[in-house]
Amino acid sequence: DAKTTQPPSMDCAEGRAANLPCNHSTISGNEYVYWYRQIHSQGPQYIIHGLKNNETNEMASLIITEDRKSSTLILPHATLRDTAVYYCIVRVGTDSWGKLQFGAGTQVVVTP
Amino acid sequence: DTEVTQTPKHLVMGMTNKKSLKCEQHMGHRAMYWYKQKAKKPPELMFVYSYEKLSINESVPSRFSPECPNSSLLNLHLHALQPEDSALYLCASSRGTNQETQYFGPGTRLLVL
Repeated sequence: DAKTTQPPSMDCAEGRAANLPCNHSTISGNEYVYWYRQIHSQGPQYIIHGLKNNETNEMASLIITEDRKSSTLILPHATLRDTAVYYCIVRVGTDSWGKLQFGAGTQVVVTP
Repeated sequence: DTEVTQTPKHLVMGMTNKKSLKCEQHMGHRAMYWYKQKAKKPPELMFVYSYEKLSINESVPSRFSPECPNSSLLNLHLHALQPEDSALYLCASSRGTNQETQYFGPGTRLLVL
């Protein structure tokens, strides 16, 4: 199973970009990288996912290195509401449902 | 619409009680999941239903009994739980295709006394 490594915590100033690193050095060629976040006591919220190419949506950008061994989630303009635990996840398995194996995540605190 | 609903939001039960958690989605998803999350820990997968059939049981004790009556509804029946089963129970669903995005509900916070 591919596993991920993230820093346990990060602080970010409101209005600045937040860059969240993730290491997944054992990822397989057909495994996607997913990012979710969980605001305190709520259900995890999907942010973005990618395979090889960089991806961008209305919430964030995902930068995946060429060797696919690491990635960075970028929140372009952090707000106080972005304070949450951010999970970098590699989708395990080739079954159609795809098991999500959560790691410990990064606690991001956005400060005024 | 990417909404997954869960009821109840909170549940307190004794160790001899029988209760059920309910999860519902109307996105046409064919895969549904139960996760358990203890305080300050990441979610852990319990069960996966695909096309209304149980596909994965992550060695969950039999006091937790899942049920998928139809493609929109997922239940988790609880019986003879222990205090250590107190946790946030999360439901999720996905289309059931290769490119999987799981959408989570808000969870049911369970306290076993």
